[in-house]
Amino acid sequence: GESVGLHLPTLSVQEGDNSIINCAYSNSASDYFIWYKQESGKGPQFIIDIRSNMDKRQGQRVTVLLNKTVKHLSLQIAATQPGDSAVYFCAENPTGANNLFFGTGTRLTVIP
Amino acid sequence: DSGVTQTPKHLITATGQRVTLRCSPRSGDLSVYWYQQSLDQGLQFLIQYYNGEERAKGNILERFSAQQFPDLHSELNLSSLELGDSALYFCASSVITGNTIYFGEGSWLTVV
Repeated sequence: GESVGLHLPTLSVQEGDNSIINCAYSNSASDYFIWYKQESGKGPQFIIDIRSNMDKRQGQRVTVLLNKTVKHLSLQIAATQPGDSAVYFCAENPTGANNLFFGTGTRLTVIP
Repeated sequence: DSGVTQTPKHLITATGQRVTLRCSPRSGDLSVYWYQQSLDQGLQFLIQYYNGEERAKGNILERFSAQQFPDLHSELNLSSLELGDSALYFCASSVITGNTIYFGEGSWLTVV
């Protein structure tokens, strides 16, 4: 089955620093990737997505990078704020699949 | 607010009982997904419906069942409940299969 994993289960950063959250995926047929943010007791919230025909996509303070050669995805958060503290999940959608496959998540803690 | 509505938000029930969780997808979304999230765990895909028809099945127990009604709302039925069924159950929806999915706030189920 599909496997979406994360290099680090936890990440602590100082407020104002940039954060990088990494994700490895195993299915080379995946053509769509999404990052979600989940705050405690809440549902996962869509942050940013990227399709396999792109290497990079930028949003507001966030950038997603996709390296298809090594099947690696990363989420960069600029000027990390306390409100960014949450668990971040990457998810992949293999071509033709009917659902997303989620990684186990990385807990980001922002230190004031 | 993602536009996905789930009820009830919290539910406490005894082992052996049966509960029904309800989900209203975002307006215009035809696809509904159910996920289970245990404490500090990732999102486990249970089942997906598209326009009333089952499209994909994940790690859903035989004691669990779901359906999507003509008005596109969905229900997840959990029966013969066990302590290990205590979890957050998320509903999510998307316009079409394989596109970005948006999550509700979840239903907290506690089995005692």
